[in-house]
Amino acid sequence: NAGVTQTPKFRILKIGQSMTLQCAQDMNHNYMYWYRQDPGMGLKLIYYSVGAGITDKGEVPNGYNVSRSTTEDFPLRLELAAPSQTSVYFCASSYSGGGPSGANVLTFGAGSRLTVL
Amino acid sequence: QQQVKQSPQSLIVQKGGISIINCAYENTAFDYFPWYQQFPGKGPALLIAIRPDVSEKKEGRFTISFNKSAKQFSLHIMDSQPGDSATYFCAALITGYALNFGKGTSLLVTP
Repeated sequence: NAGVTQTPKFRILKIGQSMTLQCAQDMNHNYMYWYRQDPGMGLKLIYYSVGAGITDKGEVPNGYNVSRSTTEDFPLRLELAAPSQTSVYFCASSYSGGGPSGANVLTFGAGSRLTVL
Repeated sequence: QQQVKQSPQSLIVQKGGISIINCAYENTAFDYFPWYQQFPGKGPALLIAIRPDVSEKKEGRFTISFNKSAKQFSLHIMDSQPGDSATYFCAALITGYALNFGKGTSLLVTP
């Protein structure tokens, strides 16, 4: 049981380049999320999905795109990389997105560290 | 706008001491308050959580105290150990929506 798998772990991009951060979960979770973590700023939600074919913007969606064609996968695309997108990106998943139940626990991946130069 | 305000930003505690991290929120619609623990190079992991109808929850050395009227909640780590050194995030959730995280507290427990 791998949980949430993110690839790549590290990547350096040049300004204007594009790339996709991959995220896959094998827990049959309905909800998936992308967060970015910057020093001293906590975790900010970029996009989330409540199921295949359904995505919604979070707090900081500009410069990113997502798709959810399957339950397992939730890739995050950066179209025109900018230095402001230098960050650590975390993908997470949960069985359900709401309510104070055990099913709401988020499982995080190990993160992808992206540097844009 | 940060929906969950967390303090302090960093904390140094001696081994055996009590670590206290505080969080405050404004939105009374929040109905779930988890704490996540993150070690360097790893993703956050759920540590302990509480519902707003409970004033305290304890799991081992970790306790959440919740004050609904003041809209504040805190994490207490009793008998703090060097292995507790990590970044701690409080969070709040409205049913059906995504978690709102605080900015995090970097805890260092010295031997």
